[in-house]
Amino acid sequence: DIVLTQSPGTLSVTPGDRVSLSCRASQSISNYLHWYQQKSHESPRLLIKYASQSMSGIPSRFSGSGSGTDFTLNINSVETEDFGMYFCQQSNSWPLTFGAGTKLELK
Amino acid sequence: QVQLKESGPGLVAPSQSLSITCTVSGFSLASYGVHWLRQPPGKGLEWLGVIWAGGNTNYNSALMSRLSISKDNSKTQVFLKMNSLQTDDTAMYYCARDSVNAFDYWGQGTTLTVSS
Repeated sequence: DIVLTQSPGTLSVTPGDRVSLSCRASQSISNYLHWYQQKSHESPRLLIKYASQSMSGIPSRFSGSGSGTDFTLNINSVETEDFGMYFCQQSNSWPLTFGAGTKLELK
Repeated sequence: QVQLKESGPGLVAPSQSLSITCTVSGFSLASYGVHWLRQPPGKGLEWLGVIWAGGNTNYNSALMSRLSISKDNSKTQVFLKMNSLQTDDTAMYYCARDSVNAFDYWGQGTTLTVSS
């Protein structure tokens, strides 16, 4: 199975900060990497698919980059509504797997 | 609009089996696949399996011997069945619509507790 390692585990930030969340794959997955946001007591929401394609309705401050084994989710100027968990997911091979998540919290 | 909604038993005794239904609206099961995923309390997400528009399935090999996914297109329902439940199967169970092996719409989830 492909293992996705997300870092950091927790990121404490202030509204207005620019942040970068990392997701590293145990083997090359091309661009088959997707990002989800999950707020407390809610279902996950797809933010970015195929490493850099933003989903409809997602604010432009969210962007994704990377290919191969290293991927990044950037949030340009964090807003209070952005606090929660962020998960990456790979679809390069079966089984589909997720990273353990990064918690974005208020400093 | 696209909606998915899970319904399940809530509480199941160890060694028993589970059946959860995902009722969809706003899209056709004849055109989209539907995945099942779960999330133990305070933990990350685990993919369980998928039923494709044509009816074929793929399962997580770690759980394949205990899982079965089926659907009824006319009733717009997808079914997850899992047997030999243990306490570590306690989780929120989600169904989600396929977007080329990403998940673009999710249900609200149904909580399952495995306990005697």
